[in-house]
Amino acid sequence: SQQGEEDPQALSIQEGENATMNCSYKTSINNLQWYRQNSGRGLVHLILIRSNEREKHSGRLRVTLDTSKKSSSLLITASRAADTASYFCATARDFNKFYFGSGTKLNVKP
Amino acid sequence: SAVISQKPSRDICQRGTSLTIQCQVDSQVTMMFWYRQQPGQSLTLIATANQGSEATYESGFVIDKFPISRPNLTFSTLTVSNMSPEDSSIYLCSAGYVSGQETQYFGPGTRLLVL
Repeated sequence: SQQGEEDPQALSIQEGENATMNCSYKTSINNLQWYRQNSGRGLVHLILIRSNEREKHSGRLRVTLDTSKKSSSLLITASRAADTASYFCATARDFNKFYFGSGTKLNVKP
Repeated sequence: SAVISQKPSRDICQRGTSLTIQCQVDSQVTMMFWYRQQPGQSLTLIATANQGSEATYESGFVIDKFPISRPNLTFSTLTVSNMSPEDSSIYLCSAGYVSGQETQYFGPGTRLLVL
């Protein structure tokens, strides 16, 4: 299976704190993307990082990619209660076929 | 970006029956995909829906169980056949424009419960 692993599986923090989630994958990739899912609903795209990039920012999000270690991290700064959701990384190698990580459930307490 | 709708949003079905899920995209897209998300789990790719030809299935998924149609560049259906309680999942459709580099956009999902 090409699915990756994410850790932690669950993370509980206070509003205002930073949240860091990690993703590891198994095969070479074209890009890696992070998605958010609220309460088992559809996925919302957060950020895409290509295999030749090492770091990317979008608002309060910072993503890093280390292709030598086959890992990525997602940092959410100054978290808010509305950030409570499950976060998934997805790797793409062929024709946009995505393989999803196991996900991190983030709970931000107000 | 693409806006994707799915019908039905949820359903409760009896074992042995079949359910067809529809996925509509608001623009022509290159790729369409179907995923399954079992309760509390991550997403697993079922198949790539190919326009005008048979779908490409991932390991562990077969056409007899999950027949897929894609008659044009904006629409696809997934049928879950001869359902059992193990098929209770969220089924999500996604769409993308360009191979290898671009974002996939996801529908809201269809929540299926099989009794």
